[in-house]
Amino acid sequence: EVQLVETGGGLIQPGGSLRLSCAASGLTVSSNYMSWVRQAVGRGLEWVSIIYSGGSTYYADSLKGRFTISRDNSENTLYLQLNNLRVEDTAIYYCARVIVMTGSDAFDIWGQGTLVTVSS
Amino acid sequence: DIQMTQSPSSLSASIGGRVTITCRASQNINTYLNWYQQKPGKAPKLLIYDASNLQSGVPSRFSGGGSGTDFTLTISSLQPEDFATYYCQQSHIKRTFGQGTRLEIK
Repeated sequence: EVQLVETGGGLIQPGGSLRLSCAASGLTVSSNYMSWVRQAVGRGLEWVSIIYSGGSTYYADSLKGRFTISRDNSENTLYLQLNNLRVEDTAIYYCARVIVMTGSDAFDIWGQGTLVTVSS
Repeated sequence: DIQMTQSPSSLSASIGGRVTITCRASQNINTYLNWYQQKPGKAPKLLIYDASNLQSGVPSRFSGGGSGTDFTLTISSLQPEDFATYYCQQSHIKRTFGQGTRLEIK
């Protein structure tokens, strides 16, 4: 069974840092496009970042360089480093596998999410 | 950034009815448009990819269409399990979601 399990969320003060992890089973992180999507409580989905199988990374412009996506091939795990956190970064953070079709792609496998709360 | 605008933001419909949700992109995205369903407390689920292709396991009462900037998601013969929030998402340049459409039972 293919599964993504996010961990690392919690309560953090504004300006702090946090690293989220997404452990994969049943798929190989390094062979897939992988992404992070977040959702503030009661709000819509917001795309955060993507890492391609070749290693290229892309981010939502609104993040202004505060977040970094990476992966550990030996651990088969995806990461999201969150720096200089703001109250508005409070959200559930989902990792997702990106299935690639001819010319397009979509998020077809999702984890259960991990909650990040930024508050003093 | 490509902006995605869904309409309506919410709607109510009856079991057995038919609804159409619209998604408009701020620029041409060809058919690089996906639709997701999300239920409270759950992760989103992929329904339609590349504008009109049904994801494996998704009932045929769901259908998608459109290209360029205007897209639709239609659900025919609504079932109780279809009442949820629906999101469109573009994959042409980076990735962007629409703001969501909440479908409620009338």
